[in-house]
Amino acid sequence: AQTVTQSQPEMSVQEAETVTLSCTYDTSESDYYLFWYKQPPSRQMILVIRQEAYKQQNATENRFSVNFQKAAKSFSLKISDSQLGDAAMYFCAFNAGNMLTFGGGTRLMVKP
Amino acid sequence: KAGVTQTPRYLIKTRGQQVTLSCSPISGHRSVSWYQQTPGQGLQFLFEYFSETQRNKGNFPGRFSGRQFSNSRSEMNVSTLELGDSALYLCASSNGQPNTEAFFGQGTRLTVV
Repeated sequence: AQTVTQSQPEMSVQEAETVTLSCTYDTSESDYYLFWYKQPPSRQMILVIRQEAYKQQNATENRFSVNFQKAAKSFSLKISDSQLGDAAMYFCAFNAGNMLTFGGGTRLMVKP
Repeated sequence: KAGVTQTPRYLIKTRGQQVTLSCSPISGHRSVSWYQQTPGQGLQFLFEYFSETQRNKGNFPGRFSGRQFSNSRSEMNVSTLELGDSALYLCASSNGQPNTEAFFGQGTRLTVV
């Protein structure tokens, strides 16, 4: 079974600054996929970024990037130039067989 | 392209009753997954249906069941409701490949009183 751990229940960042959200996971699988999802107050889960485990290059999507350390089983999310609209719950998720295993989430607050 | 539609959005039921939730996936998607979200347990996988067959199942009691129709729409049923079943139930659709994005609906908020 897979487990996903997000050790930061809550984080805050000043608008325009950079913040990093941590995620570690445990698995015996060799082929899997990792995702960061955002859940704003509307409750709609929105995909932020994805990473294939077989790819060594870290994924980047505009202001969002990941630091994927496969050996350490670590998958952190960096948000650059934080905006007020980034305030939300962020979930790290693991997928090895068409089922997502989520971490407990990190609530990100953005201060103007 | 229409997104994932879940109905109803809100539901209040009494202990012991049963409830059916509905999910209409994005057109062309054959996989529908269900998740339960609670403050205490977080997001937990219930089950996944692909082409009308249950392909994956989470660790939930048999009171939780589901099905998928030929048009890929899915229903989830919870029988003999308990207070602890109060949760946000999220449905996600995808093309069924593990590396692709799962698109989520806005959820059904179930309250059991």
